[in-house]
Amino acid sequence: NAGVTQTPKFQVLKTGQSMTLQCAQDMNHEYMSWYRQDPGMGLRLIHYSVGAGITDQGEVPNGYNVSRSTTEDFPLRLLSAAPSQTSVYFCATSPGSTTYEQYFGPGTRLTVT
Amino acid sequence: GESVGLHLPTLSVQEGDNSIINCAYSNSASDYFIWYKQESGKGPQFIIDIRSNMDKRQGQRVTVLLNKTVKHLSLQIAATQPGDSAVYFCAGLDRGSTLGRLYFGRGTQLTVWP
Repeated sequence: NAGVTQTPKFQVLKTGQSMTLQCAQDMNHEYMSWYRQDPGMGLRLIHYSVGAGITDQGEVPNGYNVSRSTTEDFPLRLLSAAPSQTSVYFCATSPGSTTYEQYFGPGTRLTVT
Repeated sequence: GESVGLHLPTLSVQEGDNSIINCAYSNSASDYFIWYKQESGKGPQFIIDIRSNMDKRQGQRVTVLLNKTVKHLSLQIAATQPGDSAVYFCAGLDRGSTLGRLYFGRGTQLTVWP
């Protein structure tokens, strides 16, 4: 099993550009989440999903969109990138039935210039 | 909402010593806590969790203590090894909330000296 995979690993965008960060899991987990991590900060929740077709906002959702058409994939879209979105982005999954243990992907480092 | 925070941003210990990393939370409705370890360039990795109906939980070389009276939890690492060097995060979840509402602290950088 690959677990949680994220692509790309690194990305540089210009202000105003759009892009999609990909997240895929092969563990058949219902719960998936996107976090951003900034220097000296903990992880902050952007959006999450409790199952295919269901998404909700986290702490810092502005500037990001998500969709969950399948159990396996949970892409994060930046509609119009801003320098404030420079960060490391982590996708996480969880079975969510008897445990809230989350499995994190390796992260995408995004720089917006 | 919840606020969790670590008491010290950095901690240095000598190899073989025990490490104690502390965390405080603000919401008394929090009923589940997790400790994560994050090595440089990697995603966080689950270490151990504890529910609010417990005061203590032990894993392999790690122990988490929960004091609900003062809203404090700690992670103890026995016989700390160089491979334990990483950033450690605590995270809390509100009672009745969905998985997505997991709040993370800012992290403590643990450095282990030989």
